[in-house]
Amino acid sequence: GAGVSQSPRYKVAKRGQDVALRCDPISGHVSLFWYQQALGQGPEFLTYFQNEAQLDKSGLPSDRFFAERPEGSVSTLKIQRTQQEDSAVYLCASRSRGSYNEQFFGPGTRLTVL
Amino acid sequence: QQQVKQSPQSLIVQKGGISIINCAYENTAFDYFPWYQQFPGKGPALLIAIRPDVSEKKEGRFTISFNKSAKQFSLHIMDSQPGDSATYFCAAMQTGTASKLTFGTGTRLQVTL
Repeated sequence: GAGVSQSPRYKVAKRGQDVALRCDPISGHVSLFWYQQALGQGPEFLTYFQNEAQLDKSGLPSDRFFAERPEGSVSTLKIQRTQQEDSAVYLCASRSRGSYNEQFFGPGTRLTVL
Repeated sequence: QQQVKQSPQSLIVQKGGISIINCAYENTAFDYFPWYQQFPGKGPALLIAIRPDVSEKKEGRFTISFNKSAKQFSLHIMDSQPGDSATYFCAAMQTGTASKLTFGTGTRLQVTL
């Protein structure tokens, strides 16, 4: 497919478990973003990659959140020791080079922490 | 700290009517203002965007009005259709940095027959 894909689409975790969320951006897109969308709210920025470099991680809520993009394409968002407040939809977006270019969003991963 | 405030939270409009959603921002460094449409179970999709050097931009039935001095911008959907029923988010971005989007809280629009 030509769009951004994310997996899994749904994830249920018990409190304290570690989870890993995957994002496959549009081929050739240099920039990759992760956002967190709580129920009934707008997406909130978590972190930004340009190729494999993580240039901004100011939105990560705690040191339990970690993201990587080792080869400049696929990215993984990892959450350690999940808490109930981590329950949200995690959205990935990619963008070709150029700040004004559109960010294309994936369908998101809905994480529920019990 | 909410940097982009959006209203109303929800909106019901009859088919053929005009839907109006308003947003206000605080950070004067923002220089790009997109609107996103989101359907249930889907990611947001860009609808229309404006830069602060113009006061209005129109694409089909969708128009953005921008007031730089008031730090406000709005989305107008003309001839609203049931297929427009979705959640709409305004956003703002400061280019030249990570160019991350700051979103409003969203407006759930329902267009009735």
